[in-house]
Amino acid sequence: GQNIDQPTEMTATEGAIVQINCTYQTSGFNGLFWYQQHAGEAPTFLSYNVLDGLEEKGRFSSFLSRSKGYSYLLLKELQMKDSASYLCASSENMTTDSWGKLQFGAGTQVVVTP
Amino acid sequence: GAGVSQTPSNKVTEKGKYVELRCDPISGHTALYWYRQSLGQGPEFLIYFQGTGAADDSGLPNDRFFAVRPEGSVSTLKIQRTERGDSAVYLCASSPRSNNEQFFGPGTRLTVL
Repeated sequence: GQNIDQPTEMTATEGAIVQINCTYQTSGFNGLFWYQQHAGEAPTFLSYNVLDGLEEKGRFSSFLSRSKGYSYLLLKELQMKDSASYLCASSENMTTDSWGKLQFGAGTQVVVTP
Repeated sequence: GAGVSQTPSNKVTEKGKYVELRCDPISGHTALYWYRQSLGQGPEFLIYFQGTGAADDSGLPNDRFFAVRPEGSVSTLKIQRTERGDSAVYLCASSPRSNNEQFFGPGTRLTVL
């Protein structure tokens, strides 16, 4: 099993940068995923990391350190529409057909203010 | 449709009743997952299908919960003798292979009175 910890809420100003940290304790860790979820809507995929290092996708970047059990999601040039919950999730014990089971953290509510 | 669809969008039932929740995955996606999400929490894994078979059902909380995917496409999550603690949003996701991005449906909000 896995324990995943992330902050409950963060507030930032439009145009600023916010970093959401996630730590995990795992057995058989495979990869770390980030999802965005607006209130009342389904989660949407943002990024994933399998290897250590930084993955950049436009305004969003995600970092992973497997040795430290640590990841972060970096949101740049914040926009009002970025106000949402950001979910950290890990997968474990990947085989040829069992990557997909994800264990989610409780989510970090990001509030973007004008 | 282009995305994962789930029906009904809302279901209100009484304690002790039986409910069925349906998921239509994206066409051609072989992997299908069920999660449930309580308010203020992240999704909690229930069961995962690869094709018609349940590859991992370790997340089902007890034997009141059962899911099927008889033709490898549509899936139904069945809950017997519902309890108030079953109230949650039930999310379905699919992926083209089990090691790809999961696309989530809008969910079914189940309320047990």
